[in-house]
Amino acid sequence: DQQVKQNSPSLSVQEGRISILNCDYTNSMFDYFLWYKKYPAEGPTFLISISSIKDKNEDGRFTVFLNKSAKHLSLHIVPSQPGDSAVYFCAASEGGTASKLTFGTGTRLQVTL
Amino acid sequence: EPEVTQTPSHQVTQMGQEVILRCVPISNHLYFYWYRQILGQKVEFLVSFYNNEISEKSEIFDDQFSVERPDGSNFTLKIRSTKLEDSAMYFCASTKGPGYTGELFFGEGSRLTVL
Repeated sequence: DQQVKQNSPSLSVQEGRISILNCDYTNSMFDYFLWYKKYPAEGPTFLISISSIKDKNEDGRFTVFLNKSAKHLSLHIVPSQPGDSAVYFCAASEGGTASKLTFGTGTRLQVTL
Repeated sequence: EPEVTQTPSHQVTQMGQEVILRCVPISNHLYFYWYRQILGQKVEFLVSFYNNEISEKSEIFDDQFSVERPDGSNFTLKIRSTKLEDSAMYFCASTKGPGYTGELFFGEGSRLTVL
């Protein structure tokens, strides 16, 4: 049951450069997508979300792009900072955030100096 | 800043024992959830709870699991007879309500180790 996939388990980016994290989904009923950041021994922390009626949402250094026809979304972090080093999870739901979230397997981002 | 708090942070138990994991959601939130993450795997939905009843549950949430909101602040997950495969990090989460602008707030998790 891989409805949400993050095919890159890890990504290494230099400080100041752009980090691009990708996520694919198969369930066409998903209409709300979120990115969470997780540090070891902590719970996931919400970063940014996007509704299926939009194709882009921006919040400071974080931008999420949604391509519904390709069932693909991406998270761009510009510029990347060492504090961004964490595991990033893509999640999706049918019917907003009160509905259950289906998570991807995560991508570990390492921002190097 | 309001946060979801969970206790205990780590619990070790013998197979077959009952375990109760506790959560205090954010005070004005109405929807409550339990998720879990087995080591090295993705975060998985277990159950959602609204208006004092389960609104949705996953296949993982079988008869060995139950949830309760015994008072106005606590939200508990009980595993009646633990199995080795229940070893995981359990996350409680809460949100104000349905919609497309809010997000789920997660606690720091309770690590359950079943021996």
